Amino acid sequence: GEDVEQSLFLSVREGDSSVINCTYTDSSSTYLYWYKQEPGAGLQLLTYIFSNMDMKQDQRLTVLLNKKDKHLSLRIADTQTGDSAIYFCAENGDTPLVFGKGTRLSVIA
Amino acid sequence: DAGVIQSPRHEVTEMGQEVTLRCKPISGHDYLFWYRQTMMRGLELLIYFNNNVPIDDSGMPEDRFSAKMPNASFSTLKIQPSEPRDSAVYFCASSPKGIGNQPQHFGDGTRLSIL
Repeated sequence: GEDVEQSLFLSVREGDSSVINCTYTDSSSTYLYWYKQEPGAGLQLLTYIFSNMDMKQDQRLTVLLNKKDKHLSLRIADTQTGDSAIYFCAENGDTPLVFGKGTRLSVIA
Repeated sequence: DAGVIQSPRHEVTEMGQEVTLRCKPISGHDYLFWYRQTMMRGLELLIYFNNNVPIDDSGMPEDRFSAKMPNASFSTLKIQPSEPRDSAVYFCASSPKGIGNQPQHFGDGTRLSIL
């Protein structure tokens, strides 16, 4: 079945760049998403990329997609303490979104 | 615009009791999803509806769990009887038509503790 894998933890210093990686298995995915979950809240859509793109930039966020390797990454430039959260990668094929287990980003001041 | 609204935000009850979680999706959204989140298992899809009809309930853990969507603006997830292992955060999400290319919008969740 479909599967999405992410590393569970990432720690960076304030002001550095963060890179969160994700691999997925469904080659028919048409959209790939990044969600952010802050403590006590639901998942909030951060950004998404269409599968025929290899890069999307949105202010401090850069999404890179390597469709051949089924690898997705989210880069956060100039990481701030407010970026501390859990980040979920998700893919869609012909079924509802399949989520990874989430990467917990800790930003050290 | 109002987002997905869930109630209650927190529920603490004793095992064996019936628990009902409620969700109001975003108006006009055709799909509604129920998820459960735990540290051990991450985010699990329990069931989803399209136009108030259950489409896939294969994620519902046991017969103790049931979900209904009597109309387009309301859904419930019921656990009867509840057990301590049901303790988790339960999320409701909705999305517009076109499940393959529309993101899901999440509520803030119900934190359920079964003692």
